Amino acid sequence: EAAVTQSPRNKVAVTGGKVTLSCNQTNNHNNMYWYRQDTGHGLRLIHYSYGAGSTEKGDIPDGYKASRPSQENFSLILELATPSQTSVYFCASGDDRGGSDYTFGSGTRLLVI
Amino acid sequence: GQGVEQPDNLMSVEGTFARVNCTYSTSGFNGLSWYQQREGHAPVFLSYVVLDGLKDSGHFSTFLSRSNGYSYLLLTELQIKDSASYLCAVREPNYNVLYFGSGTKLTVEP
Repeated sequence: EAAVTQSPRNKVAVTGGKVTLSCNQTNNHNNMYWYRQDTGHGLRLIHYSYGAGSTEKGDIPDGYKASRPSQENFSLILELATPSQTSVYFCASGDDRGGSDYTFGSGTRLLVI
Repeated sequence: GQGVEQPDNLMSVEGTFARVNCTYSTSGFNGLSWYQQREGHAPVFLSYVVLDGLKDSGHFSTFLSRSNGYSYLLLTELQIKDSASYLCAVREPNYNVLYFGSGTKLTVEP
């Protein structure tokens, strides 16, 4: 069954440390996306990718990097984690058809202390 | 990006209906999607609309007016289990990027 898998499910990190959130999809979708979700803000786009080797900035890219080494994998990297990056992070994949929906991962809950 | 606005909360009664409103301003538009999200879970796709008018999908219906930048999700014959957050998202033409509103938390009371 086609799916989007995120790891880890939960993460506690220290301020100033490096954090890598991983996402793997088996949908063979070209596009992948990273969002964060905070109370009162909904889902906000951090980075996205339209294929292996590409990364594009979303609305809130500051403090985040992204990497798309293959069609299946899309990582979000926090080089120097800060408490303001405590959030729930969702990865999603989608194709280029207008009516198609995203397939979301289950989310990663990150706490930066 | 896009500006997508939704009311924070909505309450209704079991057996009746609820209308979740969404307004948006866009630099590009390739349709609007609705998602349901339960606490602690990922969003689940409900509907996609790109043409004006009402799209009836039974329990969930969606309306779109592109000239007014307005959509709503209509839930009929409400059940307690419909209590959840409902997210409106505008789809940009490039790479189908979705821009989400902050979501409306619907509470269905007995």
